[in-house]
This record gives sequence, C-alpha cells and structure tokens, in this order.
Amino acid sequence: ETGVTQTPRHLVMGMTNKKSLKCEQHLGHNAMYWYKQSAKKPLELMFVYSLEERVENNSVPSRFSPECPNSSHLFLHLHTLQPEDSALYLCASSRDRGSSYGYTFGSGTRLTVV
Amino acid sequence: GQQLNQSPQSMFIQEGEDVSMNCTSSSIFNTWLWYKQDPGEGPVLLIALYKAGELTSNGRLTAQFGITRKDSFLNISASIPSDVGIYFCAGQLAPQAGTALIFGKGTTLSVSS
Repeated sequence: ETGVTQTPRHLVMGMTNKKSLKCEQHLGHNAMYWYKQSAKKPLELMFVYSLEERVENNSVPSRFSPECPNSSHLFLHLHTLQPEDSALYLCASSRDRGSSYGYTFGSGTRLTVV
Repeated sequence: GQQLNQSPQSMFIQEGEDVSMNCTSSSIFNTWLWYKQDPGEGPVLLIALYKAGELTSNGRLTAQFGITRKDSFLNISASIPSDVGIYFCAGQLAPQAGTALIFGKGTTLSVSS
C-alpha cells in the first residue's frame, strides 16, 4: 500500500478511443502530479496541481487533459492518442507543491496505444 | 530546463558486491532525494538529504549530500538480488522553494547471484 492508488494498472487503447486514468491519495497531501515515463528517458513532468488548481502544464499536447475535482483525486483524460504516447503514467502527491519531503508515487498505469 | 546528470546509466554486478552511483549538476540544490523503482511499480523514496555534507544511511544504503550542494551519491553495500531496479536521484533547486523536483535519468542495477 503506497498511499497513492492508480487505476487501471494496464490499459490498451486505440488511437480513436477516449479513456481516463485515475489517481487517488488519502495522505492529506495538497499537491498532485502526473509524470510520463518512457523507456530510456527521464521522468517527464506533465502537470502539477496545488490545492486543486493547475499550476504547471509542461507543454503537454491537448490530447491529454487533466482534472482535479478535489485534493484527493486526479484524473488524466486521454483522447486521440498516438502510438508514441505509449508509456508508464505515474501519479504522485506531496504535502505541498515543491515539498522537500519528496513525492509519494503510485504504481502507475502502463498505457499501450495501438 | 535544469538537468541532473546521473551515472552510471546501468550496472551489472555480482551478489555481494558494493555499488556506487552519483548525480551531479551545475546548479545548487536545497534537497537531494534517492528513489528506487522496482519493475512494474512506481518509485519509492529511499533516502532524503537536506544539508550539505549530510551522510544518511538506510540499512545497506548510504547517501551523501555533496559539500558543494551540486552533487550527491548513493552507495549500496553487499548487494542482494532484490536490489535490482532503477535508482533515481531527485533534487530541489535552491532557492526556488515551491518548484517541482528535478529527476535524474536513473541507474539500472542488475544483480546476478
């Protein structure tokens, strides 16, 4: 039990599908993050939410749409993805944005776009 | 953007050997963190360092915050098969409190028994 739960663990979707990734934390953290992890690449920060407000969007294509309805839940809505979007998508949370106590990561969603 | 140079990229060692990896940057950091990622899982925090020169241990793991605040290293002693995984360094820039962590590219460790 990591404290951050991601569902689903695995997802295969066609390029015309619409799907959503879910992240949930009950650690009382105020900041949540989406990262993309591709093979042989560093972790890529996609979005940062602090107190449910999006504070960073690192030039992510519009086919990725985040949603943070409350401080415990974070979604990543996916539509018309490309094969190169196949990767491990990691959610993380921290006490506050930029907390020096580090992030708690979920187990990730392994996404395959066909 | 800012980058952390993590080396080596990968290591293949025998069980029982000691391991050393490091991260360097041209920028000064307030905080250094070391994570381990098991296959199919998310990274898990191993050690956090908050002060230049700080040396912290967690079992067989030892990490140090470099005196210059621009580097950190992680040592694993007497490696075992379950040490296999990807080790990431991460840092928070000084004095930019409130910014997201910066991650290294990771060191992939393989241990043969």
